[in-house]
Amino acid sequence: GAGVSQSPRYKVAKRGQDVALRCDPISGHVSLFWYQQALGQGPEFLTYFQNEAQLDKSGLPSDRFFAERPEGSVSTLKIQRTQQEDSAVYLCASSLEVLSTDTQYFGPGTRLTVL
Amino acid sequence: GENVEQHPSTLSVQEGDSAVIKCTYSDSASNYFPWYKQELGKRPQLIIDIRSNVGEKKDQRIAVTLNKTAKHFSLHITETQPEDSAVYFCAASTGTASKLTFGTGTRLQVTL
Repeated sequence: GAGVSQSPRYKVAKRGQDVALRCDPISGHVSLFWYQQALGQGPEFLTYFQNEAQLDKSGLPSDRFFAERPEGSVSTLKIQRTQQEDSAVYLCASSLEVLSTDTQYFGPGTRLTVL
Repeated sequence: GENVEQHPSTLSVQEGDSAVIKCTYSDSASNYFPWYKQELGKRPQLIIDIRSNVGEKKDQRIAVTLNKTAKHFSLHITETQPEDSAVYFCAASTGTASKLTFGTGTRLQVTL
């Protein structure tokens, strides 16, 4: 079946612009995660959804970052008033259930470049 | 919160040799330890994982060992091949949190 997909794959924004990044998880997966991966680093947790409920947003770096999953499937990560330090790859992952031992399947990521 | 350290940051081996990557974690409640392989510009892909009730797991040329007392786990790749060249990340997940905390990655280069 289809894996996790993300769009767009690449996004260039001018500083101060708002951006929206989309994630389509594997169908039926309850848990959805967003991670930020800076160049040469490991992914860092941003936020977690269980169905439509955002249960953990402790990793969001500022109130400019907002995520939603209104119907418990597709998720959108929105960044307002982008800054150069927001440049990174944004990865989405999904897992079947809610256990910490569930495998997380990653999407290809969206590479955001803020000029 | 959880902290994961990974060593070495780069590793170069000759084709056919073995490669070992080591990680330590800080939270004794962590119970799931996956390893991901990431090729340049691609998504992280799970290659093997281990849960805290198991000390070792093997899948063909890849094995992972876990020492819960010492809070460290290792990835072993035998008979390395050029297609094993990539960045490898270890991670840990804690029972109540589900989120993964990743190490900083190891760039493995397999030379002919």
